[in-house]
Amino acid sequence: EAGVTQSPTHLIKTRGQQATLRCSPISGHTSVYWYQQALGLGLQFLLWYDEGEERNRGNFPPRFSGRQFPNYSSELNVNALELEDSALYLCASSLSPGTRYGYTFGSGTRLTVV
Amino acid sequence: RKEVEQDPGPFNVPEGATVAFNCTYSNSASQSFFWYRQDCRKEPKLLMSVYSSGNEDGRFTAQLNRASQYISLLIRDSKLSDSATYLCVVSSGSARQLTFGSGTQLTVLP
Repeated sequence: EAGVTQSPTHLIKTRGQQATLRCSPISGHTSVYWYQQALGLGLQFLLWYDEGEERNRGNFPPRFSGRQFPNYSSELNVNALELEDSALYLCASSLSPGTRYGYTFGSGTRLTVV
Repeated sequence: RKEVEQDPGPFNVPEGATVAFNCTYSNSASQSFFWYRQDCRKEPKLLMSVYSSGNEDGRFTAQLNRASQYISLLIRDSKLSDSATYLCVVSSGSARQLTFGSGTQLTVLP
Protein backbone atom coordinates (compact mmCIF):
# COMPACT_ATOMS: atom_id res chain seq x y z
CA GLU A 1 0.00 0.00 0.00
CA ALA A 2 1.40 3.36 -0.99
CA GLY A 3 1.93 5.81 1.83
CA VAL A 4 1.30 9.53 1.82
CA THR A 5 3.11 11.04 -1.14
CA GLN A 6 4.15 14.64 -1.49
CA SER A 7 5.56 16.57 -4.40
CA PRO A 8 7.87 18.14 -5.14
CA THR A 9 10.45 17.01 -2.58
CA HIS A 10 12.33 20.29 -2.90
CA LEU A 11 11.18 23.69 -4.14
CA ILE A 12 13.16 26.89 -4.47
CA LYS A 13 11.28 30.14 -4.99
CA THR A 14 12.09 33.81 -4.79
CA ARG A 15 10.43 36.22 -2.42
CA GLY A 16 7.03 37.38 -3.66
CA GLN A 17 6.40 34.30 -5.82
CA GLN A 18 3.73 31.67 -5.25
CA ALA A 19 4.37 28.04 -4.30
CA THR A 20 2.08 25.06 -4.82
CA LEU A 21 2.67 21.87 -2.86
CA ARG A 22 0.80 18.63 -3.49
CA CYS A 23 -0.21 15.69 -1.35
CA SER A 24 -1.83 12.33 -2.05
CA PRO A 25 -3.19 10.59 1.03
CA ILE A 26 -3.17 6.89 1.73
CA SER A 27 -5.91 5.18 -0.26
CA GLY A 28 -9.16 5.33 1.71
CA HIS A 29 -8.05 8.20 3.92
CA THR A 30 -10.39 11.17 3.69
CA SER A 31 -8.67 13.65 5.99
CA VAL A 32 -5.57 15.58 4.99
CA TYR A 33 -3.57 17.80 7.33
CA TRP A 34 -0.83 20.29 6.49
CA TYR A 35 1.95 21.28 8.90
CA GLN A 36 4.87 23.66 8.68
CA GLN A 37 8.16 22.84 10.37
CA ALA A 38 10.76 25.56 10.26
CA LEU A 39 14.36 24.52 10.91
CA GLY A 40 14.87 23.54 14.52
CA LEU A 41 11.25 24.19 15.44
CA GLY A 42 8.20 22.06 16.15
CA LEU A 43 5.29 21.22 13.87
CA GLN A 44 2.90 24.11 13.39
CA PHE A 45 -0.61 23.17 12.24
CA LEU A 46 -1.65 24.88 9.02
CA LEU A 47 -4.82 23.37 7.56
CA TRP A 48 -7.14 20.38 7.80
CA TYR A 49 -9.33 19.16 4.96
CA ASP A 50 -11.94 16.44 5.07
CA GLU A 51 -14.40 15.39 2.36
CA GLY A 52 -13.37 18.36 0.26
CA GLU A 53 -14.03 20.96 2.95
CA GLU A 54 -11.66 23.03 5.05
CA ARG A 55 -12.40 21.94 8.63
CA ASN A 56 -9.86 23.96 10.55
CA ARG A 57 -6.90 26.25 10.03
CA GLY A 58 -4.03 27.23 12.24
CA ASN A 59 -2.72 30.66 13.09
CA PHE A 60 -1.34 31.52 9.66
CA PRO A 61 -2.11 34.45 7.36
CA PRO A 62 -4.62 34.08 4.51
CA ARG A 63 -1.85 33.84 1.94
CA PHE A 64 -1.61 30.22 3.09
CA SER A 65 -4.51 28.41 1.47
CA GLY A 66 -5.34 25.09 -0.06
CA ARG A 67 -7.98 22.75 -1.24
CA GLN A 68 -8.91 19.10 -1.35
CA PHE A 69 -9.98 17.41 -4.55
CA PRO A 70 -12.71 14.78 -5.03
CA ASN A 71 -10.07 12.03 -4.96
CA TYR A 72 -8.98 13.38 -1.52
CA SER A 73 -5.63 14.62 -2.74
CA SER A 74 -4.78 18.13 -1.63
CA GLU A 75 -2.66 21.08 -2.52
CA LEU A 76 -1.26 23.86 -0.39
CA ASN A 77 -0.72 27.27 -1.92
CA VAL A 78 1.48 29.92 -0.42
CA ASN A 79 1.20 33.35 -2.04
CA ALA A 80 3.54 36.32 -1.77
CA LEU A 81 6.33 34.17 -0.38
CA GLU A 82 8.46 35.57 2.41
CA LEU A 83 11.89 34.42 3.53
CA GLU A 84 10.36 33.13 6.79
CA ASP A 85 8.21 30.70 4.79
CA SER A 86 11.31 28.57 4.22
CA ALA A 87 10.50 25.31 5.98
CA LEU A 88 9.62 21.65 5.65
CA TYR A 89 5.94 21.33 4.77
CA LEU A 90 4.45 18.06 5.90
CA CYS A 91 1.20 16.52 4.80
CA ALA A 92 -0.51 13.82 6.84
CA SER A 93 -3.61 11.75 6.32
CA SER A 94 -5.99 9.79 8.50
CA LEU A 95 -8.78 7.33 7.86
CA SER A 96 -11.36 9.75 9.16
CA PRO A 97 -11.66 12.54 11.64
CA GLY A 98 -11.67 11.25 15.16
CA THR A 99 -9.22 8.50 14.40
CA ARG A 100 -7.75 6.69 17.37
CA TYR A 101 -4.76 5.73 15.29
CA GLY A 102 -2.91 8.98 14.72
CA TYR A 103 -1.81 10.40 11.41
CA THR A 104 0.55 9.07 8.77
CA PHE A 105 2.93 11.64 7.36
CA GLY A 106 4.46 12.07 3.95
CA SER A 107 8.16 12.78 3.63
CA GLY A 108 7.52 16.46 3.08
CA THR A 109 8.34 19.26 0.68
CA ARG A 110 11.32 21.37 1.60
CA LEU A 111 10.57 24.93 0.50
CA THR A 112 13.38 27.43 0.28
CA VAL A 113 12.59 31.09 -0.33
CA VAL A 114 15.51 33.20 -1.51
CA ARG B 1 0.51 28.05 28.15
CA LYS B 2 1.21 25.56 25.34
CA GLU B 3 -1.31 22.77 24.83
CA VAL B 4 1.43 20.14 24.93
CA GLU B 5 4.70 20.81 26.74
CA GLN B 6 7.88 18.78 26.63
CA ASP B 7 11.39 19.25 27.94
CA PRO B 8 13.33 20.03 24.73
CA GLY B 9 16.50 18.40 26.01
CA PRO B 10 18.89 17.54 24.57
CA PHE B 11 19.29 14.26 26.39
CA ASN B 12 22.70 12.71 25.77
CA VAL B 13 22.92 9.18 27.16
CA PRO B 14 25.35 6.29 26.73
CA GLU B 15 24.35 3.12 24.94
CA GLY B 16 22.49 0.78 27.24
CA ALA B 17 21.14 3.53 29.46
CA THR B 18 17.54 3.97 30.46
CA VAL B 19 16.03 7.35 29.64
CA ALA B 20 12.62 8.83 30.40
CA PHE B 21 10.77 11.67 28.71
CA ASN B 22 7.87 13.54 30.20
CA CYS B 23 5.07 15.54 28.68
CA THR B 24 2.16 17.52 30.08
CA TYR B 25 -1.02 18.58 28.31
CA SER B 26 -3.45 21.33 29.16
CA ASN B 27 -6.80 20.05 27.87
CA SER B 28 -8.31 17.71 30.43
CA ALA B 29 -10.80 16.47 27.81
CA SER B 30 -8.05 15.10 25.54
CA GLN B 31 -8.92 11.65 24.31
CA SER B 32 -5.97 9.94 22.65
CA PHE B 33 -2.26 10.11 23.22
CA PHE B 34 0.74 9.13 21.14
CA TRP B 35 4.49 9.24 20.94
CA TYR B 36 6.00 9.96 17.54
CA ARG B 37 9.64 9.76 16.56
CA GLN B 38 11.26 12.18 14.11
CA ASP B 39 14.71 11.63 12.67
CA CYS B 40 16.70 14.62 11.51
CA ARG B 41 15.11 16.25 8.44
CA LYS B 42 12.60 13.41 8.09
CA GLU B 43 8.87 13.09 8.69
CA PRO B 44 7.46 12.11 12.09
CA LYS B 45 6.54 8.44 12.45
CA LEU B 46 4.20 6.90 14.97
CA LEU B 47 6.16 5.16 17.70
CA MET B 48 3.29 4.04 19.90
CA SER B 49 -0.11 4.94 21.23
CA VAL B 50 -0.45 5.56 24.94
CA TYR B 51 -3.21 3.81 26.88
CA SER B 52 -4.55 4.61 30.32
CA SER B 53 -3.33 1.32 31.72
CA GLY B 54 0.17 1.91 30.35
CA ASN B 55 1.62 -0.12 27.52
CA GLU B 56 4.89 -1.61 26.45
CA ASP B 57 6.42 -2.30 23.07
CA GLY B 58 9.76 -4.03 23.41
CA ARG B 59 12.17 -1.60 25.06
CA PHE B 60 9.61 1.21 25.07
CA THR B 61 7.06 1.81 27.83
CA ALA B 62 4.44 4.54 27.75
CA GLN B 63 2.40 5.74 30.72
CA LEU B 64 -0.56 8.08 31.01
CA ASN B 65 -1.76 9.85 34.14
CA ARG B 66 -5.05 11.56 33.32
CA ALA B 67 -5.40 13.09 36.79
CA SER B 68 -2.08 14.89 36.43
CA GLN B 69 -2.41 15.32 32.65
CA TYR B 70 0.98 13.77 32.22
CA ILE B 71 2.44 11.32 29.70
CA SER B 72 5.78 9.57 29.84
CA LEU B 73 7.98 7.45 27.60
CA LEU B 74 10.65 5.16 29.00
CA ILE B 75 13.35 3.72 26.76
CA ARG B 76 15.38 0.86 28.20
CA ASP B 77 18.74 -0.40 26.93
CA SER B 78 19.18 2.56 24.59
CA LYS B 79 20.60 1.89 21.13
CA LEU B 80 22.47 4.27 18.86
CA SER B 81 19.52 4.00 16.49
CA ASP B 82 17.22 5.49 19.13
CA SER B 83 18.82 8.89 18.53
CA ALA B 84 15.98 11.10 17.31
CA THR B 85 13.48 13.70 18.45
CA TYR B 86 10.51 12.28 20.35
CA LEU B 87 7.21 14.10 19.96
CA CYS B 88 4.41 13.91 22.49
CA VAL B 89 1.04 14.09 20.71
CA VAL B 90 -2.46 14.61 22.08
CA SER B 91 -5.85 14.51 20.36
CA SER B 92 -8.63 16.76 21.52
CA GLY B 93 -12.00 18.10 20.51
CA SER B 94 -14.89 16.52 18.69
CA ALA B 95 -12.67 15.97 15.67
CA ARG B 96 -9.83 14.49 17.72
CA GLN B 97 -7.34 16.75 15.97
CA LEU B 98 -3.74 16.05 16.94
CA THR B 99 -1.59 18.62 18.70
CA PHE B 100 2.15 18.04 18.71
CA GLY B 101 4.63 18.96 21.38
CA SER B 102 7.82 20.61 20.24
CA GLY B 103 9.80 17.45 20.88
CA THR B 104 12.60 16.13 23.06
CA GLN B 105 15.93 15.48 21.39
CA LEU B 106 17.75 12.29 22.31
CA THR B 107 21.30 11.39 21.36
CA VAL B 108 22.59 7.96 22.33
CA LEU B 109 26.38 7.96 22.53
CA PRO B 110 28.67 4.98 21.84
